[in-house]
Amino acid sequence: AQRVTQPEKLLSVFKGAPVELKCNYSYSGSPELFWYVQYSRQRLQLLLRHISRESIKGFTADLNKGETSFHLKKPFAQEEDSAMYYCALRPPGGTSYGKLTFGQGTILTVHP
Amino acid sequence: DVKVTQSSRYLVKRTGEKVFLECVQDMDHENMFWYRQDPGLGLRLIYFSYDVKMKEKGDIPEGYSVSREKKERFSLILESASTNQTSMYLCASSLQDSINEQFFGPGTRLTVL
Repeated sequence: AQRVTQPEKLLSVFKGAPVELKCNYSYSGSPELFWYVQYSRQRLQLLLRHISRESIKGFTADLNKGETSFHLKKPFAQEEDSAMYYCALRPPGGTSYGKLTFGQGTILTVHP
Repeated sequence: DVKVTQSSRYLVKRTGEKVFLECVQDMDHENMFWYRQDPGLGLRLIYFSYDVKMKEKGDIPEGYSVSREKKERFSLILESASTNQTSMYLCASSLQDSINEQFFGPGTRLTVL
């Protein structure tokens, strides 16, 4: 069975410091990985997906198949990055109906 | 603008009551999902639907049922609410193609007394 683990419930950094939110997954195959974010009083929304290889709001995430990890990184954290972050996994192909398996979430707080 | 709406932001019910949570999307999405969100546990899938009248169990379906009579509407039903069903409930939808992202509603915070 697939599983997503985010080992840190809480992460605090100061503005301008680098930040890394960890995500490890368990899946026998090549899944699709995502990061979703929920800012205070806003709905959960997609931040980025690994297949796009994009940088969104300064965040990047690299899929490491050897270590089965998909850590989210930003070189210089901003106060507006404070939010709940979820890592999510989806099996490839069309039979999954787009179902996602989420990690436990990490609350990031960026202090001024 | 993509929109998923949920009937209530806050709901308080008593143990044993039947509870209906409604979700409506206006994007003509085939897939719809119900999750519950609990601190330290993340989001857990309760049920999902990939077409009208079609439903599949997620990871934690016990104590819940769902109904999808129209494409735009997906209802979550608690037949007999219990205190351990106190939670935040999130609805989401996506296009049929599995590469598409899920769009989430604002959530319903349900308290069962």
